[in-house]
Amino acid sequence: DSGVTQTPKHLITATGQRVTLRCSPRSGDLSVYWYQQSLDQGLQFLIQYYNGEERAKGNILERFSAQQFPDLHSELNLSSLELGDSALYFCASSGEGGNGNTIYFGEGSWLTVV
Amino acid sequence: EDQVTQSPEALRLQEGESSSLNCSYTVSGLRGLFWYRQDPGKGPEFLFTLYSAGEEKEKERLKATLTKKESFLHITAPKPEDSATYLCAVQDSGGGADGLTFGKGTHLIIQP
Repeated sequence: DSGVTQTPKHLITATGQRVTLRCSPRSGDLSVYWYQQSLDQGLQFLIQYYNGEERAKGNILERFSAQQFPDLHSELNLSSLELGDSALYFCASSGEGGNGNTIYFGEGSWLTVV
Repeated sequence: EDQVTQSPEALRLQEGESSSLNCSYTVSGLRGLFWYRQDPGKGPEFLFTLYSAGEEKEKERLKATLTKKESFLHITAPKPEDSATYLCAVQDSGGGADGLTFGKGTHLIIQP
């Protein structure tokens, strides 16, 4: 158990819909990261938050957004969903902004868009 | 742009047959190189972080090494429970981002 908690574990929704994925980081970790994993693309970095502020953006679509709340939990919002958005979405966390520290991953949220 | 290439893509070994997985990387400045293990449908499980060329770390049957251009994950006398996808990732020291750039992984199967 990495200590990173993600909900829901599985989600099936229709095209055009909007979903929210939730993440609780490890106790004390200030950084939260979101990654997308699909069969053909591997693990792709989406976005990082550090202590409530956006720190870095990766390959995140404009239809996707995230935020980190004062209690440090984070949410990833996916809107206008397309079939190609079906993937495993991972949240990860680290301490001290990930400055060489270990980044621990949650078990993922499996999104299926039908 | 950071790049990580892992080889082979897949590897099938007999139980007890030692081998090595390769991770070649290109990064402007290396803050850390990470190895993770991932089982199907699960999140990546942290194995090692290496920071500088020449560094080595060991855990049970696994040993990770690092040079300026690549890292190796050596698996000694593997067991079936070592079957998994092994992921390599780099963390760049440039800019304010701390996220990892991952390779596509090596899918390892250990046959009894």
